[in-house]
Amino acid sequence: EAQVTQNPRYLITVTGKKLTVTCSQNMNHEYMSWYRQDPGLGLRQIYYSMNVEVTDKGDVPEGYKVSRKEKRNFPLILESPSPNQTSLYFCASSALETNNEQFFGPGTRLTVL
Amino acid sequence: QQPVQSPQAVILREGEDAVINCSSSKALYSVHWYRQKHGEAPVFLMILLKGGEQKGHEKISASFNEKKQQSSLYLTASQLSYSGTYFCGTEIYPALNAGGTSYGKLTFGQGTILTVHP
Repeated sequence: EAQVTQNPRYLITVTGKKLTVTCSQNMNHEYMSWYRQDPGLGLRQIYYSMNVEVTDKGDVPEGYKVSRKEKRNFPLILESPSPNQTSLYFCASSALETNNEQFFGPGTRLTVL
Repeated sequence: QQPVQSPQAVILREGEDAVINCSSSKALYSVHWYRQKHGEAPVFLMILLKGGEQKGHEKISASFNEKKQQSSLYLTASQLSYSGTYFCGTEIYPALNAGGTSYGKLTFGQGTILTVHP
């Protein structure tokens, strides 16, 4: 089954404790993105990747890091989480041949205390 | 810069029609439309690529006016299952993106909450 998986689905942590949210896709898509969703603000892109070792900032990259060492994986790293990073996070993958149609993962609900 | 969606919310009775608009300040390469049910991930509805293009998906269709940098989503004879939050996502032309290619960079609007009542 074609899918995007994210782990963990729910996470409660404390300020300053480094964390990683994993994302994996099995569709051989070249593009992958991370979004955060906050009430009234819609989906905002954090980082995106056009292929292995090629990443670029989205609209809200501050406080986040990403890496793309393999085509299927695109982890999101919060080196020192702060309460304003409490949000719902979505990973998505897409392909040029399907005009960048986004396939979303199930989401990760992050709470930073 | 995020595209602007209007209205922010709309309430319908089953069978009524609705239009959701998406407007950008930048020249657009494509417009995407997605629907998100409560507690779920957004799901793709359709992509419009060319100015003036229209597409249909069951009773949901959309248009893209490239010159006006606007897109509209039309929901006709609404059903209970249409309830959810609708997002437009826009890609701008690579030539106008100072950071390089726009591929992969999709900017979403703030969403329109659609509620359909029996």
